[in-house]
Amino acid sequence: DAMVIQNPRYQVTQFGKPVTLSCSQTLNHNVMYWYQQKSSQAPKLLFHYYDKDFNNEADTPDNFQSRRPNTSFCFLDIRSPGLGDAAMYLCATSKGALNEKLFFGSGTQLSVL
Amino acid sequence: GIQVEQSPPDLILQEGANSTLRCNFSDSVNNLQWFHQNPWGQLINLFYIPSGTKQNGRLSATTVATERYSLLYISSSQTTDSGVYFCAVPETINDYKLSFGAGTTVTVRA
Repeated sequence: DAMVIQNPRYQVTQFGKPVTLSCSQTLNHNVMYWYQQKSSQAPKLLFHYYDKDFNNEADTPDNFQSRRPNTSFCFLDIRSPGLGDAAMYLCATSKGALNEKLFFGSGTQLSVL
Repeated sequence: GIQVEQSPPDLILQEGANSTLRCNFSDSVNNLQWFHQNPWGQLINLFYIPSGTKQNGRLSATTVATERYSLLYISSSQTTDSGVYFCAVPETINDYKLSFGAGTTVTVRA
């Protein structure tokens, strides 16, 4: 089945130690998104790619970066994780702009020690 | 930006009961999506429903765009329906950003 896959499901890192989360998709969608979701809150958009065109949300900290080496894969890099970055990170895709359905991966729960 | 309000914030159901969740939004939209987040964190897209009514098994949704609201109906609820239900609409000035409501937490008891 076509889907959005995130690895790992759980990730533990140390304060200040760089960490990379990965996402792949078999839907062949043009747009890939990264969301951050903290407990009891709605998902918050960090940035998105339309093909290789990167779009950062204005309130996304510089500590968060992303790479999309090809259509299928997208990575979230957190350069120096702080305790406040502990959250669920959700990857999502859509065929085009959001006049299309949004499909989420199962998420990576990040803990920062 | 566009405001999205969901009600009720919490809902406890006995298995087999029916319920209605509501989503109000503050501006005209050209689409609306409903999501279910299960207790393991997975967000499932239930409906893409800019207007009208759609059905998916025991779930159905109705959007009345002119009156700026959408309803999600759960019939014959099951314990697997537990989780958080979010509605979301596109931001007015950003075609790639959804504005989410705060969600309705549904607990279905056996």
